[in-house]
Amino acid sequence: GAVVSQHPSRVICKSGTSVKIECRSLDFQATTMFWYRQFPKQSLMLMATSNEGSKATYEQGVEKDKFLINHASLTLSTLTVTSAHPEDSSFYICSAIYRGNYGYTFGSGTRLTVV
Amino acid sequence: DAKTTQPPSMDCAEGRAANLPCNHSTISGNEYVYWYRQIHSQGPQYIIHGLKNNETNEMASLIITEDRKSSTLILPHATLRDTAVYYCIVGNNNDMRFGAGTRLTVKP
Repeated sequence: GAVVSQHPSRVICKSGTSVKIECRSLDFQATTMFWYRQFPKQSLMLMATSNEGSKATYEQGVEKDKFLINHASLTLSTLTVTSAHPEDSSFYICSAIYRGNYGYTFGSGTRLTVV
Repeated sequence: DAKTTQPPSMDCAEGRAANLPCNHSTISGNEYVYWYRQIHSQGPQYIIHGLKNNETNEMASLIITEDRKSSTLILPHATLRDTAVYYCIVGNNNDMRFGAGTRLTVKP
């Protein structure tokens, strides 16, 4: 089956620094990937849709200059959290469409802690 | 906003069937019903999906009402490892948004 690999699984960074999270589709090409954020005891919230070779589409309320998304190839999308603050601490999850209407395949998530 | 309504929590005895309901009264004709589950601190795991007909796979069964306004996910023999948050999502590949889900606790 399809696998989406997400790296790193957890990261701790200092306030003001930037962190990059990678999302790779293994054994399949993903023209579209999705980034979600999940705070403790809450559901997943869609942040943005990442399209290969074009600009990402951000959900309302998500700062595009803070959460930079790059989808430079059919198997890799990256999310960079710039100038991170403690309130950016969260669980970030990516996903990709594997085939047809079989829904999304999700990565294992990245736990970001900003100190 | 999510288009589904699920009970916030449910308990189930180990070995018994777990029946998780979902209401999606505003579902459109081309939208599928998807079920995912999330075990603590992991990414969501696909369980099953359907359009109109009932579906079954090695993990679960999905029963969709004839008017498609609600569905039920059935785990036929729940185990302790099935304890998770179960999400019912209505949509298609362009738009999949999560509601609050149902926290299923399987008890010994």
